[in-house]
Amino acid sequence: QQPVQSPQAVILREGEDAVINCSSSKALYSVHWYRQKHGEAPVFLMILLKGGEQKGHEKISASFNEKKQQSSLYLTASQLSYSGTYFCGTVNSGNTPLVFGKGTRLSVIA
Amino acid sequence: DAGVIQSPRHEVTEMGQEVTLRCKPISGHDYLFWYRQTMMRGLELLIYFNNNVPIDDSGMPEDRFSAKMPNASFSTLKIQPSEPRDSAVYFCASSLRMSYGYTFGSGTRLTVV
Repeated sequence: QQPVQSPQAVILREGEDAVINCSSSKALYSVHWYRQKHGEAPVFLMILLKGGEQKGHEKISASFNEKKQQSSLYLTASQLSYSGTYFCGTVNSGNTPLVFGKGTRLSVIA
Repeated sequence: DAGVIQSPRHEVTEMGQEVTLRCKPISGHDYLFWYRQTMMRGLELLIYFNNNVPIDDSGMPEDRFSAKMPNASFSTLKIQPSEPRDSAVYFCASSLRMSYGYTFGSGTRLTVV
């Protein structure tokens, strides 16, 4: 079951904040976040396991709400280098592979 | 580590021809995944291996697609015969454990004309 990401696209000015959401219709075991720049491979950012944890990666952090079957990615004080497409990948049980959402295209402009 | 290595980076072929995509995972990673990326469908899982054994190939679109992993350091994805609708970017990824982050290769952009 493919997770649903929102928004589909967002444009930010440098220094602005953004939130990307990922929701699933099924119970989640874990959520991964990846960033893909144009013409490149997706790059792993972080993984969140069930338990409602929040993790950080420089100015990029994420939360996981197990009850709501949702995860959110927070980008603060955005930089030009944050531009790309962000994908969430969800795992519904402990030993199944990632199913990716369709992505959120983030553009940061000067 | 050189990361996950895929070849070729680009492949242009005529409809009906056989296409073979290659992947070398990161040494020591137990899991290898083949994904296909298109604008319409995003990243779709085709097949994955655990310790060289195919575990789930339910994502392989048709019998024209086949994948092998003869040893821990090499995997192939073959399309025979190829069709224009197979045009996409094919990614190979590997992971130490199923619950760990995936490392993707640079992908193979396949164009079938």
